[in-house]
Amino acid sequence: AQKVTQAQTEISVVEKEDVTLDCVYETRDTTYYLFWYKQPPSGELVFLIRRNSFDEQNEISGRYSWNFQKSTSSFNFTITASQVVDSAVYFCAIQGGSEKLVFGKGMKLTVNP
Amino acid sequence: SQTIHQWPATLVQPVGSPLSLECTVEGTSNPNLYWYRQAAGRGLQLLFYSVGIGQISSEVPQNLSASRPQDRQFILSSKKLLLSDSGFYLCAWRFLREGEQFFGPGTRLTVL
Repeated sequence: AQKVTQAQTEISVVEKEDVTLDCVYETRDTTYYLFWYKQPPSGELVFLIRRNSFDEQNEISGRYSWNFQKSTSSFNFTITASQVVDSAVYFCAIQGGSEKLVFGKGMKLTVNP
Repeated sequence: SQTIHQWPATLVQPVGSPLSLECTVEGTSNPNLYWYRQAAGRGLQLLFYSVGIGQISSEVPQNLSASRPQDRQFILSSKKLLLSDSGFYLCAWRFLREGEQFFGPGTRLTVL
């Protein structure tokens, strides 16, 4: 069975600050996939990134970057120079050998102007 | 491009009434389909998934059921709603088994 822990429940920052969202996962599968989703106030989950377990290369997409470390079972997400539009609930998720996508409890980010 | 639709967007129903939520996907064939519920507190719970027409897998035993009458249609139903069924219901689709899931806009259900 898989498990995802997002220890932070809420974070509040001021615009232009950098913020890192932590994600720690547990799995016994050797092949698995990690995901980050964003849920703005409208409610719809927006896919941000997928990472395969055999690809530890970090990724950067604009102001977003992801740090995948198998040694610590972590898949952290950093937003650089945060903006008000980044305010949302962010979910980390894992899928192993089954159809099931297991989500963390989410982390609410508030970016204040 | 693919799009996913859900309706209704919001619903207020009395306890004991029936429920039918519909989800349809456009622009793809034979997708895997999923129903999730997000209760107060933000956690997402997988309720059902389907890998093909008429194939339904249930993750959580409860008074809800799901059906997939057509390739790109997924329906969530209940014969008698409970107060605990209130929540935000999200439908999702995935093309490849290891691919990312894409979510619909959701239905906010309030049972009174």
